Amino acid sequence: AQSVSQHNHHVILSEAASLELGCNYSYGGTVNLFWYVQYPGQHLQLLLKYFSGDPLVKGIKGFEAEFIKSKFSFNLRKPSVQWSDTAEYFCAVMLYGQNFVFGPGTRLSVLP
Amino acid sequence: NAGVMQNPRHLVRRRGQEARLRCSPMKGHSHVYWYRQLPEEGLKFMVYLQKENIIDESGMPKERFSAEFPKEGPSILRIQQVVRGDSAAYFCASSPYGSSGGANEQFFGPGTRLTVL
Repeated sequence: AQSVSQHNHHVILSEAASLELGCNYSYGGTVNLFWYVQYPGQHLQLLLKYFSGDPLVKGIKGFEAEFIKSKFSFNLRKPSVQWSDTAEYFCAVMLYGQNFVFGPGTRLSVLP
Repeated sequence: NAGVMQNPRHLVRRRGQEARLRCSPMKGHSHVYWYRQLPEEGLKFMVYLQKENIIDESGMPKERFSAEFPKEGPSILRIQQVVRGDSAAYFCASSPYGSSGGANEQFFGPGTRLTVL
């Protein structure tokens, strides 16, 4: 079955620490990849997306993600997190002609 | 350009009542998607609609749930005879093109949090 997995359920970091959130998917065809963020009490916002081209994608707020096709992965990174990055992060995959499939989410808590 | 709008933001119902959730897509968007987010879980796709058509309802429970997107007005997700297990956040998203249009981004609304007592 098609699925998206995120490695960590809850990540706790101190400010200025580096962040990497894992995302793997189980599709063999062409995919479009997304990371969304949901701040407490707010709706989902797009952080970044990959459609084609350079596999290293830069998004808003200093986030970036790397698409590694051979590993079916699209990990999210940020060199130095801030307290304001505390949120839930969702990886999502869209197959051409089909709908989004979301991962279960990773809750990030950044300690001041 | 206003974003995706959903109302109400919070809805409380007793078991057996009906819940109606409304979604107004972004201007110029004719494709609407509904998702459900259960506590501690990710978003699960429910249904994809275009104006007056249901394109994909593979994620919709077979009973009590229905959705529509009329020619005029918002999309409606209707849950009849609600049960406690229906308590969740329901998110609507819209896009200018359908997923068959290739690479496409969905824009999400703020969600409706349904609580069934």
